[in-house]
Amino acid sequence: GQQLNQSPQSMFIQEGEDVSMNCTSSSIFNTWLWYKQDPGEGPVLLIALYKAGELTSNGRLTAQFGITRKDSFLNISASIPSDVGIYFCAGQLGGGTSYGKLTFGQGTILTVHP
Amino acid sequence: GAVVSQHPSWVICKSGTSVKIECRSLDFQATTMFWYRQFPKQSLMLMATSNEGSKATYEQGVEKDKFLINHASLTLSTLTVTSAHPEDSSFYICSASPGAIMNTEAFFGQGTRLTVV
Repeated sequence: GQQLNQSPQSMFIQEGEDVSMNCTSSSIFNTWLWYKQDPGEGPVLLIALYKAGELTSNGRLTAQFGITRKDSFLNISASIPSDVGIYFCAGQLGGGTSYGKLTFGQGTILTVHP
Repeated sequence: GAVVSQHPSWVICKSGTSVKIECRSLDFQATTMFWYRQFPKQSLMLMATSNEGSKATYEQGVEKDKFLINHASLTLSTLTVTSAHPEDSSFYICSASPGAIMNTEAFFGQGTRLTVV
């Protein structure tokens, strides 16, 4: 089946530093999504990417949908303590009953030291 | 908009009993709902896809007789963990999708922490 490889698994950074994480897939996805999950909560959508090559920003977050449709990255600029959490990439094929059916990466645990 | 509510947030049950978890889309109709399971410090693993008015589609390795899914309306899906055992303790998360009407992904509930003792 499809698998998403997300790296790094964890990051320990100082407040104010920039962060970068990425995901690669063995197969093509038509939508790439980035989520943040706080302990004991469901994932919250950060950025959605719908077109190959698309570069999208949401405040301090920037994400890109790889041109091959098999990869994506997420950058966080000027990190702050509340950025702490687990970040997941997710891929969606879409179409028919596949809308909303996501395959998740393994997650990146982000720790920000004040 | 696009709020998905999951209930309960946490539940503790005795081994051998059954537990029902509800997933509701509050402000949209969800043609499809999804149930995920997440163990500590791990990713979300899809258990099953629930379509309104039809049988759920289970992922490989998920016991359909143990994890009963009912999607009786366009705003409600339920997951029942039958004869729960300690190894079923996990974080269960649902998501709901409005389908192709919106060019978007699914929206997630808050999750349910199940502890079987």
